[in-house]
Amino acid sequence: DQQVKQNSPSLSVQEGRISILNCDYTNSMFDYFLWYKKYPAEGPTFLISISSIKDKNEDGRFTVFLNKSAKHLSLHIVPSQPGDSAVYFCAASTGNQFYFGTGTSLTVIP
Amino acid sequence: NAGVTQTPKFQVLKTGQSMTLQCAQDMNHEYMSWYRQDPGMGLRLIHYSVGAGITDQGEVPNGYNVSRSTTEDFPLRLLSAAPSQTSVYFCASSYLDRDIDGYTFGSGTRLTVV
Repeated sequence: DQQVKQNSPSLSVQEGRISILNCDYTNSMFDYFLWYKKYPAEGPTFLISISSIKDKNEDGRFTVFLNKSAKHLSLHIVPSQPGDSAVYFCAASTGNQFYFGTGTSLTVIP
Repeated sequence: NAGVTQTPKFQVLKTGQSMTLQCAQDMNHEYMSWYRQDPGMGLRLIHYSVGAGITDQGEVPNGYNVSRSTTEDFPLRLLSAAPSQTSVYFCASSYLDRDIDGYTFGSGTRLTVV
């Protein structure tokens, strides 16, 4: 059973607008959350993370929000750029195991 | 700085054949892991290791063996390949302190079992 879910397989956004990618999880024991970006034929690359003791973490154009009561994680990209077009995976961990969502393919339209 | 290196990049196997997927990292990371990526399934953890001589099973360990004789290397062995093992395999490593930059992934091995 999928413990980390990304219910939107794809998302299209105009350049300059905000992209919001969502992620839900079921395991309340998860204490660390991450977002990864993946281009075709490459491995995922780390984007941003957040500990369960925080509800927001910012890094430049990328902000991750954590709502523990709703078991919901989101990634905001502002402003979106064409180079952001990729597949985005959210991941959650407890102990030494990481669990990944199925990914959301983001297309930023110039 | 090479990061995480996976070889080969592509491989075709016949059912029943064995092979080893290689993974090496040069960042002195304690933690190494193997994932497989299948359509609609995300990345699923196969095996992981928290240091030389220590390995443990992930979500989908059946059909795979691992060993960790050095900090740098973490090979994944398929003893008798099956078509269900057709997938893209990623190796990843990190420091044990998860606040340091998450995982670093290799570029993947695309395996087809016919």
